[in-house]
Amino acid sequence: QSALTQPRSVSGSPGQSVTISCTGTSSDVGGYNYVSWYQQHPGKAPKLMIYDVSKRPSGVPDRFSGSKSGNTASLTISGLQAEDEADYYCCSYAGSAYVFGTGTKVTVL
Amino acid sequence: QVQLQESGPGLVKPSGTLSLTCAVSGGSISSSNWWSWVRQPPGKGLEWIGEIYHSGSTNYNPSLKSRVTISVDKSKNQFSLKLSSVTAADTAVYYCARGRQLGYYYYMDVWGKGTTVTVSS
Repeated sequence: QSALTQPRSVSGSPGQSVTISCTGTSSDVGGYNYVSWYQQHPGKAPKLMIYDVSKRPSGVPDRFSGSKSGNTASLTISGLQAEDEADYYCCSYAGSAYVFGTGTKVTVL
Repeated sequence: QVQLQESGPGLVKPSGTLSLTCAVSGGSISSSNWWSWVRQPPGKGLEWIGEIYHSGSTNYNPSLKSRVTISVDKSKNQFSLKLSSVTAADTAVYYCARGRQLGYYYYMDVWGKGTTVTVSS
C-alpha cells in the first residue's frame, strides 16, 4: 500500500485556478469512488474539503471542486484566495484501509 | 458537536510501546461511526494507522498491522492506540478522527488537535 502521488507544490495568483492531481492504482483511486481531500494549515488538524470524489461538506466554499478519471483524482480551487494557502492531501479507500496522498503545498502568490 | 481530544505520554523510549487515548465529547462513541488514528511525522505527510467501530471491529494499515492495537472503552466514551516496538521513525503528531458516513462511504470529518509523540532515549 503506497502513498498516492501528488505534486509537491502548486501556486497561483489570487483569483486564478489551480488543480492538484492525485495518482493511485486500480486498488485504490481507480477501484472506488471513495476519494476525499483534506486541507491542512500549519500546526492545525486536517479539514475535510471533498468526499465521494466531488461532494462538498456543509460550509466548504463552492470554489473547491473534485473529479476523477481512471486512477487519478483531482482537486481544483477556483478563484484562489489568500486563505487557501495550505497543504492539501487526497485520501482513498483501498479495501478495508485508507491511503493518503503525499501532499501538495498550495502557495498564493 | 462532537469533539476529540488526544492524550498520552509525549516521550517514549525506543523499543517501548506508544499508548494514546482519544476522548470523545459531545456525542457517543457507540454511534454509527468508525474511529481512526492518523499520524504525521515532522515535515511529512499524513499516514492512516487504523480504525475501530464501537463493536470492536478493527481495520489496520497493512504496513503497521503487526505492531498496532486499537481498542474502545464505551464506558469512558474513548478509544485507544497502542504501537509496540517503536523507533525514531514513529516520532510524529498523532491525530484521532471520527469516520462518519457521508454519501457512499465513511470519511474523517472531525479531528482532534493532535498530540506530539517523540521516540527517544
